[in-house]
Amino acid sequence: GIQVEQSPPDLILQEGANSTLRCNFSDSVNNLQWFHQNPWGQLINLFYIPSGTKQNGRLSATTVATERYSLLYISSSQTTDSGVYFCAVINTGNQFYFGTGTSLTVIP
Amino acid sequence: DAGVIQSPRHEVTEMGQEVTLRCKPISGHDYLFWYRQTMMRGLELLIYFNNNVPIDDSGMPEDRFSAKMPNASFSTLKIQPSEPRDSAVYFCASSPHEGYSPEAFFGQGTRLTVV
Repeated sequence: GIQVEQSPPDLILQEGANSTLRCNFSDSVNNLQWFHQNPWGQLINLFYIPSGTKQNGRLSATTVATERYSLLYISSSQTTDSGVYFCAVINTGNQFYFGTGTSLTVIP
Repeated sequence: DAGVIQSPRHEVTEMGQEVTLRCKPISGHDYLFWYRQTMMRGLELLIYFNNNVPIDDSGMPEDRFSAKMPNASFSTLKIQPSEPRDSAVYFCASSPHEGYSPEAFFGQGTRLTVV
């Protein structure tokens, strides 16, 4: 299967700070998604981003498929941003491979 | 649409008992996935269906696990007999058919505890 590595594994931010989360993958993929798992365990889609850049409010993501990485940017972080951020890549068989996640804690 | 609906939300059972987890995907989605999440192994894909047909079950840990999708609006994941190491959160997800570009929507998960 495809190896998906996320960094950093843990991140603590002061409210209002910006951060960049990285996802590296080991093989060509058809697509990539970013998810947020909130402290209650719910998985929420953030971005579906096979390539290029997308923005949604304070969040944006960039995927460079040819170089096998994606970045998730969080600006002006809020305590509600806390949780685990997962990157998942999708191969030609529509199979998902998840990274191990970045655990983000935003402190007030 | 109410999203992907899983039941029960929590299940506590004794070792050796049969456990059945249920999932109702989003209407019109052709793909359905079952995942397991544990602290040790993270998120793992167990099995996925396309148009109610199992496509890849290589992630199913052993013969004690089975999954069915009798129709487009319902799927079950069964563990028989259950063991303490099966304790985990089980997620169901569905995605629409968009060629090679699925976007998955997750249910809220079933937290299974086997004692």
